[in-house]
Amino acid sequence: EAGVAQSPRYKIIEKRQSVAFWCNPISGHATLYWYQQILGQGPKLLIQFQNNGVVDDSQLPKDRFSAERLKGVDSTLKIQPAKLEDSAVYLCASTLDGWNTEAFFGQGTRLTVV
Amino acid sequence: AQSVTQLGSHVSVSEGALVLLRCNYSSSVPPYLFWYVQYPNQGLQLLLKYTSAATLVKGINGFEAEFKKSETSFHLTKPSAHMSDAAEYFCAVTPTSNTGKLIFGQGTTLQVKP
Repeated sequence: EAGVAQSPRYKIIEKRQSVAFWCNPISGHATLYWYQQILGQGPKLLIQFQNNGVVDDSQLPKDRFSAERLKGVDSTLKIQPAKLEDSAVYLCASTLDGWNTEAFFGQGTRLTVV
Repeated sequence: AQSVTQLGSHVSVSEGALVLLRCNYSSSVPPYLFWYVQYPNQGLQLLLKYTSAATLVKGINGFEAEFKKSETSFHLTKPSAHMSDAAEYFCAVTPTSNTGKLIFGQGTTLQVKP
């Protein structure tokens, strides 16, 4: 069974530039999550999708972050414009249906903003 | 609000020694509790989870954790450390059975000395 795929693995951009991350969850998984992991901290949930709808985006900085999951499969997370404090690893996770099932995590995208 | 506290950001043990990683949680409702492991440049992998069944939970790679409601703790143990156990470990909680919507602790880096 293929795992959660994320790309790119690494990205370096200058502040005020824009960047996008892509995630393809495990096939058949209805629920998809984006987490931000700043160095030295645990991951923090940014947004949760159930199929192509947003379930929880209360912790997403909506002035600069956006995410979509148009066809209920893969997802894109965008930052525009990026700030230095956005430097982090962005992890994507998926579960079968979001309830009582294991969350599987991708390897993450390491973003460095200079 | 729910939170997780991991005591000790770095733990160092000798190969063959007992591993003990501490986690305390705060929750107003019975929580679901998890331990995840993260190897360098990898995503998070589930070690074990507590979902209100048996209080002693056995996981992969010889790890286990005990849920103690009176102490609001969920410490992770392994009787004998292997070099391959060197990684970062995260304790996480969710107040509901939404098992992908996790609140993580700050992590504990486990070093295993030969």
